[in-house]
Amino acid sequence: EAGVAQSPRYKIIEKRQSVAFWCNPISGHATLYWYQQILGQGPKLLIQFQNNGVVDDSQLPKDRFSAERLKGVDSTLKIQPAKLEDSAVYLCASSLVEGLESYTFGSGTRLTVV
Amino acid sequence: QKEVEQDPGPLSVPEGAIVSLNCTYSNSAFQYFMWYRQYSRKGPELLMYTYSSGNKEDGRFTAQVDKSSKYISLFIRDSQPSDSATYLCAMRRPAAGNKLTFGGGTRVLVKP
Repeated sequence: EAGVAQSPRYKIIEKRQSVAFWCNPISGHATLYWYQQILGQGPKLLIQFQNNGVVDDSQLPKDRFSAERLKGVDSTLKIQPAKLEDSAVYLCASSLVEGLESYTFGSGTRLTVV
Repeated sequence: QKEVEQDPGPLSVPEGAIVSLNCTYSNSAFQYFMWYRQYSRKGPELLMYTYSSGNKEDGRFTAQVDKSSKYISLFIRDSQPSDSATYLCAMRRPAAGNKLTFGGGTRVLVKP
């Protein structure tokens, strides 16, 4: 079974620029998550989709972050404009609606804002 | 106060030793407990998943949950250099859907 695919693997941008990350979940996984992992910390949920609807975006900084999951498959996460404190690894994960055992993470996109 | 606390380490042990990791939590609503392993520049991968208090064993790994003390543990027996990684505990509240709340992770180094 193919895993969760993310691109790009690395990105360096200047503050105030915009950036977008892409995620392709495991086939058949209805639920998709974006997590932010700052160096030395555990992942923090930014947004959760079920199919193409948002389930939880309570910790998404909506003034600068946006995410979409068109057609309930791939997803993109965008930051505009980026701040220095957005430097982190952005992890995408997917799971079946029921069954935490299926919760699978991608390798992440490492963002550095300079 | 963070909902889930975890000692960041690093924890250095000789090969073959038992690795002991733990997390404490403050919210009694957490009912599902997981341990993830994260290698450098990789995403977390699920190691163990428990629901009830008590012990659960899987090969060299044993997970313990003590809900009365709000304390969970992971033990790794016969540790190998390949076990060197960051170990993250994660928890889920039923009312929060599939949202996971993670500890900060403990870095483990197993020396040959």
